[in-house]
Amino acid sequence: DQQVKQNSPSLSVQEGRISILNCDYTNSMFDYFLWYKKYPAEGPTFLISISSIKDKNEDGRFTVFLNKSAKHLSLHIVPSQPGDSAVYFCAARNAGNMLTFGGGTRLMVKP
Amino acid sequence: EAGVAQSPRYKIIEKRQSVAFWCNPISGHATLYWYQQILGQGPKLLIQFQNNGVVDDSQLPKDRFSAERLKGVDSTLKIQPAKLEDSAVYLCASSLGRLTTPGTSGTDTQYFGPGTRLTVL
Repeated sequence: DQQVKQNSPSLSVQEGRISILNCDYTNSMFDYFLWYKKYPAEGPTFLISISSIKDKNEDGRFTVFLNKSAKHLSLHIVPSQPGDSAVYFCAARNAGNMLTFGGGTRLMVKP
Repeated sequence: EAGVAQSPRYKIIEKRQSVAFWCNPISGHATLYWYQQILGQGPKLLIQFQNNGVVDDSQLPKDRFSAERLKGVDSTLKIQPAKLEDSAVYLCASSLGRLTTPGTSGTDTQYFGPGTRLTVL
């Protein structure tokens, strides 16, 4: 039973354009949603989060949108840079600070 | 500030052998997590410690996996005996462990180590 799903295993965009990564969840009890970024041979690093009571959070080039009625969130990267090429994981948190991760989306930003 | 340290980085063993992984969390972090990441999937939580007590181990296969955090700092994860399907990256993470009120700003961010890649032949 996958409570957090990322349906696109990969995404390719041109440098300077917008990257949009999507994530769906099923459990209404999650209170925070997070995005992590992972480079090869490294552990995931925290990127940005959003509370379940918000619908948008912005941090520089990164914006996360939450649509609670659709149980859907997305990460927007504008403008995309080659250094953004990595695997991005969506994660949902329960009250015990336990994270449930999606399967990841590999983003490739072409120069 | 030093990050989460893990060793070894790579390990190759044969099925039915035993293996142990070590994790040193960020100094001052009370909560420690072990995750299993199978190729092509997201990390899956195996066990969560708060200081030296277990908070959740519901997804730990207890017939072969064990973990301890005796002094509330370093932790070891052991597999005995290993199976082919245990081939994965084992990630350790830590967080401050402060209580957060849902809806307030901030999360108890988890910081991950580089992981140990285990191959079971």
